[in-house]
Amino acid sequence: DAGVIQSPRHEVTEMGQEVTLRCKPISGHNSLFWYRQTMMRGLELLIYFNNNVPIDDSGMPEDRFSAKMPNASFSTLKIQPSEPRDSAVYFCASSGGDRGNEKLFFGSGTQLSVL
Amino acid sequence: KNQVEQSPQSLIILEGKNCTLQCNYTVSPFSNLRWYKQDTGRGPVSLTIMTFSENTKSNGRYTATLDADTKQSSLHITASQLSDSASYICVVSDRGSTLGRLYFGRGTQLTVWP
Repeated sequence: DAGVIQSPRHEVTEMGQEVTLRCKPISGHNSLFWYRQTMMRGLELLIYFNNNVPIDDSGMPEDRFSAKMPNASFSTLKIQPSEPRDSAVYFCASSGGDRGNEKLFFGSGTQLSVL
Repeated sequence: KNQVEQSPQSLIILEGKNCTLQCNYTVSPFSNLRWYKQDTGRGPVSLTIMTFSENTKSNGRYTATLDADTKQSSLHITASQLSDSASYICVVSDRGSTLGRLYFGRGTQLTVWP
């Protein structure tokens, strides 16, 4: 298995533009997580899905952020409009379940720079 | 407040030497503790997962210990290699919760010099 696949690897955009990050989880995994990592705050959970259903989106910073999981093999995280403070590395992760003892597998991340 | 604190923040060692990274947590009730290795420009990769009943677990040259009474864990790296240069992140889960409730440390940045 290729692991969790994220695209693009790098994204540079101007303030106000829409940004869409993409994720393909490991086949057979039914839980998917979006994280944001910054030097100041470390890794923070934004939202997670179980069986394609959003379970907890309390980490989504504001209405400018939205996430979808239309099927078991694809998820998107959208920022509209983007702001410079959104610059960070965004990770997608998946697991075989959402129980607390499940192993979590991370993608390589998308480095987002908003100018 | 549930927190995970790691020390030191950064560490430099020479290749071939051993080192120990520390993790203290206040998460309660405790379920499990994980150590992740994050190479520059990559996502975190799981090294070990320890439950309440486990006090040591090894993965090659990496050995994690857990003292659930004092709420402390350590990650010991033996005979370090240049490829060990990375950030090491301690993550704690509370009992009965899902993966949506993980508490992350800020990581220890390890640099191994030749």
